[in-house]
Amino acid sequence: ETGVTQTPRHLVMGMTNKKSLKCEQHLGHNAMYWYKQSAKKPLELMFVYNFKEQTENNSVPSRFSPECPNSSHLFLHLHTLQPEDSALYLCASSLTSKTDSGNTIYFGEGSWLTVV
Amino acid sequence: GNSVTQMEGPVTLSEEAFLTINCTYTATGYPSLFWYVQYPGEGLQLLLKATKADDKGSNKGFEATYRKETTSFHLEKGSVQVSDSAVYFCALEGGSEKLVFGKGTKLTVNP
Repeated sequence: ETGVTQTPRHLVMGMTNKKSLKCEQHLGHNAMYWYKQSAKKPLELMFVYNFKEQTENNSVPSRFSPECPNSSHLFLHLHTLQPEDSALYLCASSLTSKTDSGNTIYFGEGSWLTVV
Repeated sequence: GNSVTQMEGPVTLSEEAFLTINCTYTATGYPSLFWYVQYPGEGLQLLLKATKADDKGSNKGFEATYRKETTSFHLEKGSVQVSDSAVYFCALEGGSEKLVFGKGTKLTVNP
């Protein structure tokens, strides 16, 4: 138990569906992240939020839409995805998103997404 | 930009064997270095970290020393167990860039 909880753990969706991934952290952190983990590729940072404000979007397609209503919750809204979007989506949090701080990032267990 | 290169896997060892997973990095300034571990079906967990040159991070029998002269942070364990089977990721954070990960090295330990 890392203090970062993701739901659902597994999701299968069609290309025309709309679904959402949810993340909640109980660590009192101020920064939250979405990462994508695909087979045989390095982890890809998708979005960063600091104090509810989005501070980074790494050229992620608009079919992925993040939402951060408060520092403890982060959502990833999914719409008209493609089969190549199938991956493990990892949420993470840290005390701050400031770099050069030796900051430890804590990860959730991930949501396995399959797009059919 | 920052980058991490770690040895390609998979690595297969017998129980009680010595483990080394190589990691080298490219970064400006003085980054912080991390090893994360991902057990089957789970997310990533921090295994150990070092924030300055010559620091040694250690946890659960694993060690890694921050070597600035060779820009390396190799992971070692003297005697692996079956329960150490997982994917290991080297990562760094520094400058203006967020955490950057290597591709991961899958370790399988056989009884």
